[in-house]
Amino acid sequence: DAGITQSPRHKVTETGTPVTLRCHQTENHRYMYWYRQDPGHGLRLIHYSYGVKDTDKGEVSDGYSVSRSKTEDFLLTLESATSSQTSVYFCAISESTGYYEQYFGPGTRLTVT
Amino acid sequence: AQSVTQLGSHVSVSEGALVLLRCNYSSSVPPYLFWYVQYPNQGLQLLLKYTTGATLVKGINGFEAEFKKSETSFHLTKPSAHMSDAAEYFCAVSDRTGTASKLTFGTGTRLQVTL
Repeated sequence: DAGITQSPRHKVTETGTPVTLRCHQTENHRYMYWYRQDPGHGLRLIHYSYGVKDTDKGEVSDGYSVSRSKTEDFLLTLESATSSQTSVYFCAISESTGYYEQYFGPGTRLTVT
Repeated sequence: AQSVTQLGSHVSVSEGALVLLRCNYSSSVPPYLFWYVQYPNQGLQLLLKYTTGATLVKGINGFEAEFKKSETSFHLTKPSAHMSDAAEYFCAVSDRTGTASKLTFGTGTRLQVTL
C-alpha cells in the first residue's frame, strides 16, 4: 500500500470555524490532490499540487485553500466552515502525470454543524 | 471537458453470476481510463487502467474491462461474483493536459452480491 496518511480521520466542527486537514506521504511523489466525496457526485477535485509551493484549483475550489511547503505534506484549509462542506475528504498522490494512477489515502470524515 | 457516466447506481448479482458494471466517457482526446473500488470506510483502490495498446485490460481480483472507442465505453466485468466483491466501484477518466492529471469520476455503482 502507498504510504499515505490523513489526519484527523474524523472531525466535527461548528459553522464558521477554520479547519485544516493534513495529508502526509512517504512515497516522495511529486503530485498530490484533494478530493471530496459526496453521495450522488462521486469524487470531485478540490485542489492539486504539482510540486512544493505549486498548487492550482480544481473543480470545486470555492471556500478551500491549500498549501504545500514540503514534498510530503499537503494541507487543505477551510477558512470558515459551512454545512455544505460536510463531506468525506480524500488525499491522493501520483508519481507523474498522464497514465500514472493516483493512490488514495484513507479519508477524513468532516461534519460541520 | 471530460465526463464519465456510470449507468446504474446499484447493481445486485447472485454469488457466482456475471458482474457487469457500465461506464461511458466523453473526452476530446484519446483517454486514459481507470476503475477504482472502494470498500466501506476505506479509500479508493485501483482495479485496472487503460492507457494505450490492448483494449482488453485485466486487473486485480479477476476483474477486466474492455475499451471500445466506437462506443466510448469502458465496462467492467467479472465472470463469477464473490461475496467479497461487494463494494462501490468508480470509473474515472484522466485529463492528459495541463500541469497534473486530474481525474474526473463517475458517480459510482454500488455492487451487492447475494447468496
